[in-house]
Amino acid sequence: AQSVAQPEDQVNVAEGNPLTVKCTYSVSGNPYLFWYVQYPNRGLQFLLKYITGDNLVKGSYGFEAEFNKSQTSFHLKKPSALVSDSALYFCAVRPNTGGFKTIFGAGTRLFVKA
Amino acid sequence: GAVVSQHPSRVICKSGTSVKIECRSLDFQATTMFWYRQFPKKSLMLMATSNEGSKATYEQGVEKDKFLINHASLTLSTLTVTSAHPEDSSFYICSAGPNEKLFFGSGTQLSVL
Repeated sequence: AQSVAQPEDQVNVAEGNPLTVKCTYSVSGNPYLFWYVQYPNRGLQFLLKYITGDNLVKGSYGFEAEFNKSQTSFHLKKPSALVSDSALYFCAVRPNTGGFKTIFGAGTRLFVKA
Repeated sequence: GAVVSQHPSRVICKSGTSVKIECRSLDFQATTMFWYRQFPKKSLMLMATSNEGSKATYEQGVEKDKFLINHASLTLSTLTVTSAHPEDSSFYICSAGPNEKLFFGSGTQLSVL
């Protein structure tokens, strides 16, 4: 079965420190990979995507993600965390079989402490 | 960028009544829209795929007769929660995309008393 795993329910990091939010997936073929962020009582906002090309993709608000095909991972990273980065982050995968159906991970809550 | 508008943002209703939630793509045409349900501190659960001009495709375990979906135009999809009960209380989110990138509505918090 196709799935997306975010192994950490919560990640705590001090402001100014680097952060990593992990994501692995189990989808056949070469899927599209996404990260979304959700602030309280809001819909999701697109951060970045990987379709093909360079394994390191850069997105909004200074975030980047590294695609690793052999490990089927797509970890989200930021060199220096901000308190305002505190939110719920979702990794998502779209099988490259046509259409827009997207599978989401369970979400990881990021807390950045001042 | 593309915008998806969802209305209402919050609704409180009595048990047994029906509630309609609208999802509009404001600057692009969406032949397909998606409806998700999100429980507190949980991931998004895809409920159904709304297809313009045809029947919606429901995910396994989602009651078609309870969650009615209509996609009458290329910019509007509606989700109607029929005969709502307290267990239907949740955060409902729609999404659509002009390309591979999905845009999400701001969500609707439904509270059934």
